[in-house]
Amino acid sequence: EPEVTQTPSHQVTQMGQEVILRCVPISNHLYFYWYRQILGQKVEFLVSFYNNEISEKSEIFDDQFSVERPDGSNFTLKIRSTKLEDSAMYFCASSVGTGNEAFFGQGTRLTVV
Amino acid sequence: GQQVMQIPQYQHVQEGEDFTTYCNSSTTLSNIQWYKQRPGGHPVFLIQLVKSGEVKKQKRLTFQFGEAKKNSSLHITATQTTDVGTYFCADGHSGTYKYIFGTGTRLKVLA
Repeated sequence: EPEVTQTPSHQVTQMGQEVILRCVPISNHLYFYWYRQILGQKVEFLVSFYNNEISEKSEIFDDQFSVERPDGSNFTLKIRSTKLEDSAMYFCASSVGTGNEAFFGQGTRLTVV
Repeated sequence: GQQVMQIPQYQHVQEGEDFTTYCNSSTTLSNIQWYKQRPGGHPVFLIQLVKSGEVKKQKRLTFQFGEAKKNSSLHITATQTTDVGTYFCADGHSGTYKYIFGTGTRLKVLA
C-alpha cells in the first residue's frame, strides 16, 4: 500500500538552529501539507502546496518557515531559527485532490533544546 | 476563523461499552472526515461524509452527518481495546487547500 514517508523520525536541535524536515508524498498525489501536533493537542494546519507553490498557510506559518519541493519526489519543511515552542510532532500529508482523503506520514518529532 | 470542536475531550469506557464522540463546526461543512490516531501514531483516515443526514457504517462504527451539515458524530458499539486512540473529525472542505481538524476525543478502553 502506498504511504507517505518522513525523515528523520526524531530530530533534536539547539534553539536558533535551522532544521529541515523531509517528506516523500505518495507518487500520484498532487496536494501536499504540513501539520504539527503539540503533545496531546490537536492537529494544526501549517501549509499546503500545489503546483510548486504555496496554496494556503496558517498564521503559525510565519517567515521562519518555508517549504520546497526540490525534486519530483521530496517535499521539505525548513524552520530557519528554531524556538523552544517549535517542539512538536510534524506530520506531512498528501492527497489526490482537495477534499479527498489525506494520507499522513509517521511524523517527525522535533525537540528544540 | 472556523472552529471545529469535539466533545468529550476524554472518555474512559469498559470494554464492551458503547462510545460516542460529537463534532461541531462554527460554519457549514461541505464534507466531514474522520480520522483515528493511535497512541504514538499518525492520523489515519476512516471515512468521509458528504450529504446532509448521511449515515455510514463500518463494522462497529457508525458515522452521522447532521441535517444542517454543521455537526457529526461517531458511535462505536461494544468497544474493544483495539479502539483505543484519539478520534478527530476534520472539515475536508473541497475548494480550499486545508483540512481543519477538530479538537479530538481521546478514548481509553479498560479491559
